[in-house]
Amino acid sequence: QSALTQPASVSGSPGQSITISCTGTSSDVGFYNYVSWYQQHPGKAPKLIIYDVSNRPSGVSNRFSGSKSGNTASLTISRLQTEDEADYYCSSYTTNNTRVFGGGTKLTVL
Amino acid sequence: EVQLVESGGGLIQPGGSLRLSCAASGFTFSTYSMNWVRQAPGKGLEWISYISSRSSAIYYADSVKGRFTISRDNAKNSLYLQMNSLRAEDTAVYYCARDLIAGATTGDYWGQGTLVVVSA
Repeated sequence: QSALTQPASVSGSPGQSITISCTGTSSDVGFYNYVSWYQQHPGKAPKLIIYDVSNRPSGVSNRFSGSKSGNTASLTISRLQTEDEADYYCSSYTTNNTRVFGGGTKLTVL
Repeated sequence: EVQLVESGGGLIQPGGSLRLSCAASGFTFSTYSMNWVRQAPGKGLEWISYISSRSSAIYYADSVKGRFTISRDNAKNSLYLQMNSLRAEDTAVYYCARDLIAGATTGDYWGQGTLVVVSA
């Protein structure tokens, strides 16, 4: 049950777009389309922003989008806003019926 | 409004036991699978356990297997986590999280978390 691999940090300026990668294996990200993404602000509970690779829950901005290719999933945030500054986590269902999270990526909006 | 409220955290000595609870409201608890997810101080999220809506399927992360037990009482709209043989590395904020009604996505709703500190 190794954690999915995410970059430790990414940064961007307001109005720009950024992409966060999430690399797993053929037993998790590569096997199922059950990849999800979460946003977590300091001291707060995580918030689901993408599920099933590319679906947005109701109320989540369409500036957030997800995709997957092989064993790597990606989260793209377009038209960056200062309130997007947060930690982002990916997660996947696995062939062992467990779930696994990525190590997290700190997004800094410069 | 969907609400998940964890309780039961606190300071416990290594080797001790603790039982966490998660009180659910605002939805039909008995139709949703649930999870426990933890976050050590300054660290990332770690999924630790899943229980299906009727408790027919239960899964654990290797890090807690054999020490932690997840359970639920649908009549009381409550989720539990019995934690035994606690170690310093179990120190974390523990969240309960609801699965999406379909598929295998953890956490369309999360509680606010309860802090467990394992220390002598």
